[in-house]
Amino acid sequence: DSGVTQTPKHLITATGQRVTLRCSPRSGDLSVYWYQQSLDQGLQFLIQYYNGEERAKGNILERFSAQQFPDLHSELNLSSLELGDSALYFCASSVVRGSSGANVLTFGAGSRLTVL
Amino acid sequence: AQKVTQAQTEISVVEKEDVTLDCVYETRDTTYYLFWYKQPPSGELVFLIRRNSFDEQNEISGRYSWNFQKSTSSFNFTITASQVVDSAVYFCALSGTNTGNQFYFGTGTSLTVIP
Repeated sequence: DSGVTQTPKHLITATGQRVTLRCSPRSGDLSVYWYQQSLDQGLQFLIQYYNGEERAKGNILERFSAQQFPDLHSELNLSSLELGDSALYFCASSVVRGSSGANVLTFGAGSRLTVL
Repeated sequence: AQKVTQAQTEISVVEKEDVTLDCVYETRDTTYYLFWYKQPPSGELVFLIRRNSFDEQNEISGRYSWNFQKSTSSFNFTITASQVVDSAVYFCALSGTNTGNQFYFGTGTSLTVIP
């Protein structure tokens, strides 16, 4: 158990729907990252939050949004879902003291989203 | 620009063979960190190693060893006497001081160890 908790583990939904993925970071970690892993595109960085504030944005679609709450858990909202959004969505957390780049990302088990 | 290249998409070896997974990186940072992660068939990403740019000493951990060479911008990973449990996708990643702890992952190498 990595200490990073993601729910749900599996989710099947239809095109056009909206889903919310939830992540609880490892105890003591202030930063949360979201990654999308699809078969043909590897690990794509979506967004990072640090202590409640957005820190960096990657290839996140406008249909997707995220936030980090005061208790440090984070949610990734995916709306107007398309078939191509089917993927494994990972949350990772790290301590992030400063911006040294030294921090290790600890990943959750992922949420597998299937859009039919 | 930060970039990680794992040119080997898939590798198959017979059990007990040694295998090396290649990782080449690009960065303009003078201080940076390199990582390897393992993703077994169960799907979770497991941290294996972190190396900083000032430490070119090779590291060995059991059957795993890592060869960091700044001169060739490479951080290769060797598994000695491979086992079926080593079958997984392995990702190399880069994080630099000027990128706010952003991680740049390679596309991964899928290793299959045949019994």
